[in-house]
Amino acid sequence: RKEVEQDPGPFNVPEGATVAFNCTYSNSASQSFFWYRQDCRKEPKLLMSVYSSGNEDGRFTAQLNRASQYISLLIRDSKLSDSATYLCVVILAGGSQGNLIFGKGTKLSVKP
Amino acid sequence: NAGVTQTPKFQVLKTGQSMTLQCAQDMNHEYMSWYRQDPGMGLRLIHYSVGAGITDQGEVPNGYNVSRSTTEDFPLRLLSAAPSQTSVYFCATKKREVGTDTQYFGPGTRLTVL
Repeated sequence: RKEVEQDPGPFNVPEGATVAFNCTYSNSASQSFFWYRQDCRKEPKLLMSVYSSGNEDGRFTAQLNRASQYISLLIRDSKLSDSATYLCVVILAGGSQGNLIFGKGTKLSVKP
Repeated sequence: NAGVTQTPKFQVLKTGQSMTLQCAQDMNHEYMSWYRQDPGMGLRLIHYSVGAGITDQGEVPNGYNVSRSTTEDFPLRLLSAAPSQTSVYFCATKKREVGTDTQYFGPGTRLTVL
């Protein structure tokens, strides 16, 4: 079974805190990596892609460690609106739709 | 530009009933997929299509049928609903080109089978 593992949380943090999520994948043939955000009772939406060199989008930083087969997401200066479930997504080599694997998600709750 | 639309938003069925979940997109994306999402299970792929006339099974295809007669539509059929099919169903689309990996999801259909 192709596996993508995430800590389900919930992560309960105060506003302004920095929080980090990790995701591990088991298949070394994985070639593309993403973080999706899913609000309660809503559909998943792409948050950001994850590149080997690391990438930043405002308060969000994504890192990829191919040697250790894990992806991370760092959120700085957390806002109440960051409360959501964050899904790690891995695409295996070949690009087939069947090779897109979702993690079960990490729930974040930002409190005032 | 509506993106990905799904109907109905909510549905309650009795065991053994049949129904079709509709998915339509206006982005001219080649790839379309159906997922189900259950608590603690994450998103699981049911069926997918890489273009009109082409469909394939995903991880959990049993109890579901699909067809893709047009680029825009990808209906999911439950022939004889079972309580185990109670779930939230998401349709998703994606462009075919390499390097365009973003999945666009519809708003979902919440199905309860009694």
